[in-house]
Amino acid sequence: QVQLQQSGAELAKPGSSVKISCKASGYPFSSYYISWIKQTTGQGLEFIGYISSGSGGTNYNEKFKDKATLTVDKSSSTAFMQLSSLTPDDSAVYYCARSDYSSYVGSYWGQGVMVTVSS
Amino acid sequence: DIQMTQSPSSMSVSLGDTVTITCRASQDVGIYVHWFQQKPGKSPRHMIYRATNLPDGVPSRFSGSRSGSDYSLTISSLESEDVADYHCLQFDEFPLTFGSGTKLE
Repeated sequence: QVQLQQSGAELAKPGSSVKISCKASGYPFSSYYISWIKQTTGQGLEFIGYISSGSGGTNYNEKFKDKATLTVDKSSSTAFMQLSSLTPDDSAVYYCARSDYSSYVGSYWGQGVMVTVSS
Repeated sequence: DIQMTQSPSSMSVSLGDTVTITCRASQDVGIYVHWFQQKPGKSPRHMIYRATNLPDGVPSRFSGSRSGSDYSLTISSLESEDVADYHCLQFDEFPLTFGSGTKLE
C-alpha cells in the first residue's frame, strides 16, 4: 500500500535550518510528484510547492521561494524539504503529499512533522 | 492567488443532521476542487475529488457539488465519526490554495 513516512519532530533555534524527509513506499516513486504543505492554527493549510520525483524539477509558491528548498533522492525514494533562516513564524506542522487525481495534492499524505522554532 | 472563501468557519451539529459546507472561488476553477477531512492530530483524508467524485472507501453519505464558483460538501445523516475539520482545495491554478477550514462541533 502507498505510504509516506515523514521524519520526526524538530526543535530549532531562530536563524538555523532544518531538513525534513518523506520516505515513499508502495508505488513507483519516480512517476509522481511530491508536494509540501504547511499547517498552522492561524493560517490553516498553505501549499509550499512541489517536486517531480522523476526529474527533480520544482515549482514553489512565491511566498515560500526563499524559505523552502525541495529535493529528492530516487535511490531511497525519499523527498526532502529544507527550511532555512527559521523564525517563530515557521513553527508549524509540515506535510508531504503525493500527486493524485490530476492534482499535485491527492489522497496520500505523510503523518506530518511538527517544527518548533524557539530560542 | 485564487482565494477560496470557506463558510461557515464552525458549525454546531447533531447526529443525523444534513450538513453543507461551501467554498467560493475568487475566479473560475472549473471542476478542480478537492475536499479533505481532518481529525485532531491526523493528516487530512481525501473525501471528494474534482468537485463531485468520491474516492474509494469514502461513505456515500458524503457528496460534492458545484454551482458556478460555489463548491459544496454535503454530509447526509451525520455520524459521530464525521465530526472533524473540513478543508477545500483548488488545484486549477498555481499556487494551489486551500479554504480556511470548517470545524464541525
